[in-house]
Amino acid sequence: DAGVTQSPTHLIKTRGQHVTLRCSPISGHKSVSWYQQVLGQGPQFIFQYYEKEERGRGNFPDRFSARQFPNYSSELNVNALLLGDSALYLCASSWDLNYGYTFGSGTRLTVV
Amino acid sequence: GQQVMQIPQYQHVQEGEDFTTYCNSSTTLSNIQWYKQRPGGHPVFLIQLVKSGEVKKQKRLTFQFGEAKKNSSLHITATQTTDVGTYFCAVLSSNDYKLSFGAGTTVTVRA
Repeated sequence: DAGVTQSPTHLIKTRGQHVTLRCSPISGHKSVSWYQQVLGQGPQFIFQYYEKEERGRGNFPDRFSARQFPNYSSELNVNALLLGDSALYLCASSWDLNYGYTFGSGTRLTVV
Repeated sequence: GQQVMQIPQYQHVQEGEDFTTYCNSSTTLSNIQWYKQRPGGHPVFLIQLVKSGEVKKQKRLTFQFGEAKKNSSLHITATQTTDVGTYFCAVLSSNDYKLSFGAGTTVTVRA
């Protein structure tokens, strides 16, 4: 079985641009969440989606948005990129909201 | 959201020795999860604990949830080079399903 897949793996953007990151959960997993991980720190929660509805949102500005599609895949969008948005963006999926999560390999975003 | 403190931040271990990393909270936790992240990798789910005093073992790894559900520990026996990485505890919030990670314990192993 394929794990959680994320695309692209690496991305370089310029300040002010926007970016769309994509995630395909493990087949059968209905819960998808997004995290930002800065080097040397633990992942920071951005969004939680379950059955295509937003169930949780972390302390990130409105420049960050996400959605979950009918096939349970998900997109994370970030507008007006700042240098501080440079990080590893991780997607994770789970059977349900109260189980352990399987993480993808992440998208390394660099804003210059 | 719920916050957890992990200690120590760094753990340097001689191969073959045992060590323990701790996760502490000031509030009662409904559950706690443990993840391992290898250098350059992504977090990998290890275990979830939900019951007071619960103890679970995975080969050389022993996970424990405190009686008051305010702390947890991960004990590794006979450390191997494959144990290198950062171990995170994380708490799943019951209202917004936010998974809050601790800062992690980074483990290095001396051969």
